[in-house]
Amino acid sequence: GNSVTQMEGPVTLSEEAFLTINCTYTATGYPSLFWYVQYPGEGLQLLLKATKADDKGSNKGFEATYRKETTSFHLEKGSVQVSDSAVYFCALKSGNQFYFGTGTSLTVIP
Amino acid sequence: DSGVTQTPKHLITATGQRVTLRCSPRSGDLSVYWYQQSLDQGLQFLIQYYNGEERAKGNILERFSAQQFPDLHSELNLSSLELGDSALYFCASSVRDLDTDTQYFGPGTRLTVL
Repeated sequence: GNSVTQMEGPVTLSEEAFLTINCTYTATGYPSLFWYVQYPGEGLQLLLKATKADDKGSNKGFEATYRKETTSFHLEKGSVQVSDSAVYFCALKSGNQFYFGTGTSLTVIP
Repeated sequence: DSGVTQTPKHLITATGQRVTLRCSPRSGDLSVYWYQQSLDQGLQFLIQYYNGEERAKGNILERFSAQQFPDLHSELNLSSLELGDSALYFCASSVRDLDTDTQYFGPGTRLTVL
């Protein structure tokens, strides 16, 4: 079946630190992969996406590369800011079904 | 503000009851998606409608049902409520069918079952 596993949180980093949030997936076929961000009190927003192997999605300094060989889509940012504090969800779409990870809470302290 | 509205914001009810959650999509969006976010299960896709028709079904219980009306607003009906149904229910909308990357999420309805 299809599933997404992402690293447990919460994650606490100092401002300007390097961020990695791990995400691995199990899927039949060729899924599209996504990272969503949820700021406090809001709904989810698409952060970035990749639709095929070796694609790199990027937005707002965040990046993730679709790695078929390791079935991974890890989220990275070189220098986090306090405003990046949020919950991050890894997700995949396979056919007409959507699957989300459990979310990783990130807190960035000044 | 995503342009997607959900009512009510909060709902507190008792086990065995039935509730209806309402979602109004962004102007021009034809697709509506429902999601359940709970502490133990994370975020789960429930169901999707496009222009009034059911198009995709995820982990939606038989006690739950949804519909999309001609004016494109959608309602999610939850019946025979159990404690485990307590969660944040999100609605999202998009212009196209089964569109993941341009879904706009509403602020959610927090359901508490006592």
